[in-house]
Amino acid sequence: EIVMTQSPDTLSVSPGERATLSCRASQSVTSNLAWYQQRPGQAPRLLIYGASTRATGIPARFSGSGSGTEFTLTISSLQSEDFAVYYCQQYNDWLPITFGQGTRLEIK
Amino acid sequence: QLQLQESGPGLVKPSETLSLTCTVSGVSISSSNYYWGWIRQPPGKGLEWIGSIYYSGTTYYNPSLKSRLTISVDTSKNQFSLKLSSVTAADTAVYYCARGLEVYDYWGQGTLVTVSS
Repeated sequence: EIVMTQSPDTLSVSPGERATLSCRASQSVTSNLAWYQQRPGQAPRLLIYGASTRATGIPARFSGSGSGTEFTLTISSLQSEDFAVYYCQQYNDWLPITFGQGTRLEIK
Repeated sequence: QLQLQESGPGLVKPSETLSLTCTVSGVSISSSNYYWGWIRQPPGKGLEWIGSIYYSGTTYYNPSLKSRLTISVDTSKNQFSLKLSSVTAADTAVYYCARGLEVYDYWGQGTLVTVSS
């Protein structure tokens, strides 16, 4: 099983500033990585797949990068609605698909 | 507009079988080239992939749950279902149904299932 580790667990950033979230895989997942946003009380929302492709309707301030074992989600200018928990997920090895433990993005 | 809605008991006794159904609206399961899956989230914790199914019945299961898990599809009702047997308190979670196999782009709102006597 591929273990996904996200850092930091909690990130405090001021509105309007940039946030950088990291995700590391225990072995290469090539570019088969997705990012999800989960607001309190809501289902996860797909943001990025293929490590860098934004899902339909996702604002351009969200961008993903990386390949192999190291990945980054960047939110260029934080809006109030962006404060949430973010999960990375690998799908290079389907059995099983695995998620990171999440990074909580909070208002500084 | 594609929508998914989970339904089923919110309370299940230990050792019994957890059964949930996801009703899909806005698209026909049998005519779409997508898989349909289940993901769960224990209270205050992260996400765990359970498995996915194609309209033809092809399934992929999380190996950690495979011995207790059945995912099925009913194309006539545009639904797919989850059965998890011999549940324990560790199976207490919000269960989500979603569209996809590798990535999940449409999700239901989730339903909390508590395992308790």
